[in-house]
Amino acid sequence: DAMVIQNPRYQVTQFGKPVTLSCSQTLNHNVMYWYQQKSSQAPKLLFHYYDKDFNNEADTPDNFQSRRPNTSFCFLDIRSPGLGDAAMYLCATSRVYGAEGTQYFGPGTRLTVL
Amino acid sequence: AQKITQTQPGMFVQEKEAVTLDCTYDTSDPSYGLFWYKQPSSGEMIFLIYQGSYDQQNATEGRYSLNFQKARKSANLVISASQLGDSAMYFCAMREGNFGNEKLTFGTGTRLTIIP
Repeated sequence: DAMVIQNPRYQVTQFGKPVTLSCSQTLNHNVMYWYQQKSSQAPKLLFHYYDKDFNNEADTPDNFQSRRPNTSFCFLDIRSPGLGDAAMYLCATSRVYGAEGTQYFGPGTRLTVL
Repeated sequence: AQKITQTQPGMFVQEKEAVTLDCTYDTSDPSYGLFWYKQPSSGEMIFLIYQGSYDQQNATEGRYSLNFQKARKSANLVISASQLGDSAMYFCAMREGNFGNEKLTFGTGTRLTIIP
């Protein structure tokens, strides 16, 4: 089945130690998104790629960066995780924007910062 | 101002009953889309149903239907014949913006618990 895969499902890191979260998709979608969801809150968009074009949300901290080396893969790098970065990180994809731009989500990576 | 408002933080419903989850939205964009997602305790966001702003008919997907009242800016989700597996967090979301600059904004969610 076509799907969005995130690895790892659970990640524990230490304060200030860089961490990379991975997302891959077999849907061949053009657009990939990264969201941060803190406990009992709505998901918050960090950034997204349309193909290789990167779009950063204005309030996304500089501590968060992303790479998309090809259509299938997208990475979220947290350069110096703080305690406030502990959250669920959700990757999503959509074929295009507009009326057919339904976003499909992966299972998420739950990040713990010690 | 909130763009998506879900006024029911939690709901308890008896199994097999129908349930309506409320969602109101605010936008000045004539072209937008409304979505409902289900998030079980495992964390994955599962797409349920979509309604476009120009769609004349209310969207339906199996047991899910979207009661779209454009003039009132509401997009309520109706789940018929609820099941225990429907227990989850439900998010209403709106897509607005121009091509290449679109954004999905989520409401705060409603936690639905189905009682046997």
